[in-house]
Amino acid sequence: EDQVTQSPEALRLQEGESSSLNCSYTVSGLRGLFWYRQDPGKGPEFLFTLYSAGEEKEKERLKATLTKKESFLHITAPKPEDSATYLCAVQSDRGSTLGRLYFGRGTQLTVWP
Amino acid sequence: SAVISQKPSRDICQRGTSLTIQCQVDSQVTMMFWYRQQPGQSLTLIATANQGSEATYESGFVIDKFPISRPNLTFSTLTVSNMSPEDSSIYLCSVAQLEGSPLHFGNGTRLTVT
Repeated sequence: EDQVTQSPEALRLQEGESSSLNCSYTVSGLRGLFWYRQDPGKGPEFLFTLYSAGEEKEKERLKATLTKKESFLHITAPKPEDSATYLCAVQSDRGSTLGRLYFGRGTQLTVWP
Repeated sequence: SAVISQKPSRDICQRGTSLTIQCQVDSQVTMMFWYRQQPGQSLTLIATANQGSEATYESGFVIDKFPISRPNLTFSTLTVSNMSPEDSSIYLCSVAQLEGSPLHFGNGTRLTVT
């Protein structure tokens, strides 16, 4: 069964304190791994797609990396506005539902000044 | 990316009643999906909304409980029927242009059933 596990569940960082979020996945045939950011009361906002092991994507203070078993979202020198829940999702190239994403439960990040 | 509008943004409903949630996209999209997000849980796919035909439901979700319509490439509705408190959740519409392309989400409908 396809599964996505994110850790830690919650992370508190001081402003400027870099860290990483983890997303471990088990999927039959990875088509893509997606990172989203979700603010309270909002829908998930797309950040990155990674397609193959070794791939990296960057956006401002965020960098996503991918291996065959997991992905990391590295946050460099975070600011309070980076506080949000970060969701990881995978898409399989098998199964009957085209475009379906399997989501993890997310990591709730709080950055305090 | 497409702009997705969901209505209502929130509602409080009595058990046994039904609520229809609307999803409007500002451009034609190939794929539309309905997800449910319960507190502390991961987003769960309810169904794929198929244009001009019956929706495709995931295991554990049935058409009688969650009827879905998609009359065109920019609009879909999800109805939560005969509601119970267990249906209290956030319901999210999402769209994608192509298989393999990222999903984009509306801001969701926060439903509370009393």
